[in-house]
Amino acid sequence: AQSVTQLGSHVSVSEGALVLLRCNYSSSVPPYLFWYVQYPNQGLQLLLKYTSAATLVKGINGFEAEFKKSETSFHLTKPSAHMSDAAEYFCAVTTNTGNQFYFGTGTSLTVIP
Amino acid sequence: DTAVSQTPKYLVTQMGNDKSIKCEQNLGHDTMYWYKQDSKKFLKIMFSYNNKELIINETVPNRFSPKSPDKAHLNLHINSLELGDSAVYFCASSPIGNTIYFGEGSWLTVV
Repeated sequence: AQSVTQLGSHVSVSEGALVLLRCNYSSSVPPYLFWYVQYPNQGLQLLLKYTSAATLVKGINGFEAEFKKSETSFHLTKPSAHMSDAAEYFCAVTTNTGNQFYFGTGTSLTVIP
Repeated sequence: DTAVSQTPKYLVTQMGNDKSIKCEQNLGHDTMYWYKQDSKKFLKIMFSYNNKELIINETVPNRFSPKSPDKAHLNLHINSLELGDSAVYFCASSPIGNTIYFGEGSWLTVV
């Protein structure tokens, strides 16, 4: 079985500051990991994904995440926050044979001008 | 071309009514899903279909009934709507073990 835990339901950063959103996973088999972003009143959009290739994954809008097996983590980072990054962020896990996606409880990112 | 489209986007209805939300995907994916997002933004899987066959049926009241006429469509029918059914319902699709693509959501308000 798989699961993800997102630490911190709300994160606030100043514009231009580092964004760090935490995700830890649990999986009995090699996981595929995803970050999704949800802007207000919209659906979920894929930011980036890890599917067993490079452990450092680059996504859209300057975001990246690093898969660390030893720490069972897949934290999302962005060097410099922009006002437009304010949104809800979800981490998710599945497997290469899976048809079930397990989502974290989400982290709401606020960017302070 | 919208990859996963669902209709209607907004739905306001009275308690006790029956309503349907339709979903279509043009990505050729084998698996389709329905998720419910509550007011706290928590995403809960409701159903999952693979090639028109139900493979996941989480603990959902039997007032909710999914129907998959073909692998590109997965509709959600809700009987006897209750206030607690108010939420955003997302349709999604994916190939096995790969990215899940979401529709834009259907905002259901029961009054």
